[in-house]
Amino acid sequence: QVQLQQSGPRLVKPSQTLSLTCAISGDTVSSNTAAWNWIRQSPSRGLEWLGRTYYRSKWYNDYALFVKSRVVINPDKSKNQFSLQLNSVTPEDTAVYYCARADMSGAYGDYFDYWGQGIMVTVSS
Amino acid sequence: EIVLTQSPATVSLSPGETATLSCRASQSVRSYLAWYQQKLGQAPRLLIYDVSRRATGIPDRFSGSGSGTDFTLTISSLEPEDFAVYYCQQRSDWWTFGQGTKVEIK
Repeated sequence: QVQLQQSGPRLVKPSQTLSLTCAISGDTVSSNTAAWNWIRQSPSRGLEWLGRTYYRSKWYNDYALFVKSRVVINPDKSKNQFSLQLNSVTPEDTAVYYCARADMSGAYGDYFDYWGQGIMVTVSS
Repeated sequence: EIVLTQSPATVSLSPGETATLSCRASQSVRSYLAWYQQKLGQAPRLLIYDVSRRATGIPDRFSGSGSGTDFTLTISSLEPEDFAVYYCQQRSDWWTFGQGTKVEIK
């Protein structure tokens, strides 16, 4: 059973960097079939996919266009986890942030089958 | 970006009734459409993928249909645990979600 455990600060000041981590158990970040995603949810913008990292002989990243200039997702093989960094945050980035797995060669293809518990991050001074 | 529009925003039903939820895409998503259920304070849970395939452990009272741009999630004989918010999601062109339909108790 795959489990994703999220951690990180709940309050970030405007213009600073939002950093979250997602620890994986029951799978590996360097899996050749899984992709590791960040998704956020806010009342005003709904559910938004932010980006992903995955390993297919080498590491790849994909990012949503609307955050591409501000976002970095990094894998950490030694700790079997991956992280989200969102730079230059504004109050518009206030949301619940989720990590999620998509097993691209699994039963569900590129849909999100396992999710972290979510972390509410508030951007405020 | 493919925009998914769900209707209605809220539906009020009694246990035992049937819920019919709609999701319309701004362009064809082929058969790459999923439905998720979200309860208060929880992450979304995958219910249906590729329009009509149920995820493991999902009861058969949940069914999906449609193609191209118009899709439907049907929940037959609503159980108390089915009252939640439901989202459609496409993976034809990256990933986008609908804004959700809340199924509430009448």
